[in-house]
Amino acid sequence: GDSVTQMEGPVTLSEEAFLTINCTYTATGYPSLFWYVQYPGEGLQLLLKATKADDKGSNKGFEATYRKETTSFHLEKGSVQVSDSAVYFCALTAGGTSYGKLTFGQGTILTVHP
Amino acid sequence: GAVVSQHPSWVICKSGTSVKIECRSLDFQATTMFWYRQFPKQSLMLMATSNEGSKATYEQGVEKDKFLINHASLTLSTLTVTSAHPEDSSFYICSASKGEGKAFFGQGTRLTVV
Repeated sequence: GDSVTQMEGPVTLSEEAFLTINCTYTATGYPSLFWYVQYPGEGLQLLLKATKADDKGSNKGFEATYRKETTSFHLEKGSVQVSDSAVYFCALTAGGTSYGKLTFGQGTILTVHP
Repeated sequence: GAVVSQHPSWVICKSGTSVKIECRSLDFQATTMFWYRQFPKQSLMLMATSNEGSKATYEQGVEKDKFLINHASLTLSTLTVTSAHPEDSSFYICSASKGEGKAFFGQGTRLTVV
């Protein structure tokens, strides 16, 4: 079945540091890929997405590129802020009528210090 | 953006009792709703998919009789944990889809069974 593997956390960075959270996936067909973020005490929010190979999703300074050849969707940000502290989940869906039926990675806790 | 509201945000119940969790799409009609469960420091696992007016489709290993799902309208789905036990303590999250490309998450419900 489909699966998503994220780098283990927690990740602790200083403000303005560069962030990379690795994500690789296994899926049949051509899934859509997502990054979700969960801030403390809140629900999940969609951060960015990519629906086909070589697409780059971006939002709030975060970027991730859909790499079919390496089955990866790594999340990057050039300069993190304290407000970026949250749990980040990589996810995929087979799409079509299954859209919204997501397979998640285990989540990566990010803590950014001033 | 679309809003999905879950209620309650947290609940404590005695072992053997039943608990109902509501998931409402506030400003759109959700053709499909999904229920996930998140254990501490683990990823979200899909429990079931519900479509308005039809029986829910449960993932392998999820007890249908224990986790009752009702999707009576296009804006409301409920999850009832019957005869709850301490091992049912978890974080339950719903998401609602309004079609191609869009799925929105509730803020989650933390259930503690004592």
